[in-house]
Amino acid sequence: DAGVTQSPTHLIKTRGQQVTLRCSPKSGHDTVSWYQQALGQGPQFIFQYYEEEERQRGNFPDRFSGHQFPNYSSELNVNALLLGDSALYLCASSFGDSHTSGYTFGSGTRLTVV
Amino acid sequence: QQQVKQSPQSLIVQKGGISIINCAYENTAFDYFPWYQQFPGKGPALLIAIRPDVSEKKEGRFTISFNKSAKQFSLHIMDSQPGDSATYFCAAPDIYKLSFGAGTTVTVRA
Repeated sequence: DAGVTQSPTHLIKTRGQQVTLRCSPKSGHDTVSWYQQALGQGPQFIFQYYEEEERQRGNFPDRFSGHQFPNYSSELNVNALLLGDSALYLCASSFGDSHTSGYTFGSGTRLTVV
Repeated sequence: QQQVKQSPQSLIVQKGGISIINCAYENTAFDYFPWYQQFPGKGPALLIAIRPDVSEKKEGRFTISFNKSAKQFSLHIMDSQPGDSATYFCAAPDIYKLSFGAGTTVTVRA
């Protein structure tokens, strides 16, 4: 049973460019959340998607946007990249009441902005 | 956003020793507190979680102790092994997200 799959695993972009990261949730999961993890820090919540809509958003600027598809997979888009956007981007999937059933995380996409 | 304070930032323990990591949270309406384990280059993986209708939960060498009145919970790693060397995160739930602590890097020396 495949877990959460993220692509690409590594990415290097230039300041001002745009990037799209992709996530396929664990089989049976219908909810996708995105987190940003800076080096040496805990993951920070970006947003959560459920039924193809953004259900909640963390303290991130509008340059961060997302999408969820009918098959529950998701994309994270970041526009006008800044050096400070360099981080590990984690996708987490869940089902139902996430706070009780728990989240399954992917291995992440390491984004480096130069 | 809820603040979760985790300590220590790092610790070194000898093989066979005990590692103790502490967390304090502010408020939560949900009673489910997980600990995640993260190895370099990997995403966090759920290690153990507790519902505070109990004060302690044990799974193998890992134990969570929970003090609801103090809003604190801790992870104990008994008989620490080199394979336990990783970063550990506590988390507190909000309705649609987890608020993570800053992490504790545990190094187990053989």
